Amino acid sequence: DSGVTQTPKHLITATGQRVTLRCSPRSGDLSVYWYQQSLDQGLQFLIQYYNGEERAKGNILERFSAQQFPDLHSELNLSSLELGDSALYFCASSGVAGGLTDTQYFGPGTRLTVL
Amino acid sequence: AQTVTQSQPEMSVQEAETVTLSCTYDTSESNYYLFWYKQPPSRQMILVIRQEAYKQQNATENRFSVNFQKAAKSFSLKISDSQLGDTAMYFCAFMKHNTGTASKLTFGTGTRLQVTL
Repeated sequence: DSGVTQTPKHLITATGQRVTLRCSPRSGDLSVYWYQQSLDQGLQFLIQYYNGEERAKGNILERFSAQQFPDLHSELNLSSLELGDSALYFCASSGVAGGLTDTQYFGPGTRLTVL
Repeated sequence: AQTVTQSQPEMSVQEAETVTLSCTYDTSESNYYLFWYKQPPSRQMILVIRQEAYKQQNATENRFSVNFQKAAKSFSLKISDSQLGDTAMYFCAFMKHNTGTASKLTFGTGTRLQVTL
């Protein structure tokens, strides 16, 4: 168990809908990262938050947004869903000081299916 | 931009044998980290081993070790005494060094490893 939790585990929805994926980082970790794993594009970085602020952005669609709250949990919002958004979405977290600050630990992922 | 290449889509090894998974990368960064992550059928991403680019010594974690060749930009993973539980997809990943916190991971396409009896 990495200490990173994600809910829900599975999500099935229809095209055009909006969903929210939730992530709680390891205790004490200030950084949260979101990744998308799909069959055609592999594992891709979406976005990073550090202590509530956006730190880096990757190949994240405009229909997607994220935020990190004061308690450090993060949410990834996906809207106007398309069939191609079906994927496994991972959250990862890393520490700020001491220990392995340069290592990301992954949650179990949320499997999104868009029908 | 960095790229990570895993040229072996699939590999097979017998239990108790040794197998080496290949990874090459391309970067202009001088300070970075390299990782191997394992993704078993449960789909969980599990850290296997990490290597700091400034360290010449190859990292080792129990049965897992790496051969890091910085000049050649090569980072292979050796699994000794393979076990059935090692059956998984293995991803090589690159991360450039940041001050204060980690930066994004760039992943290769993965190598599917099957351990057989």
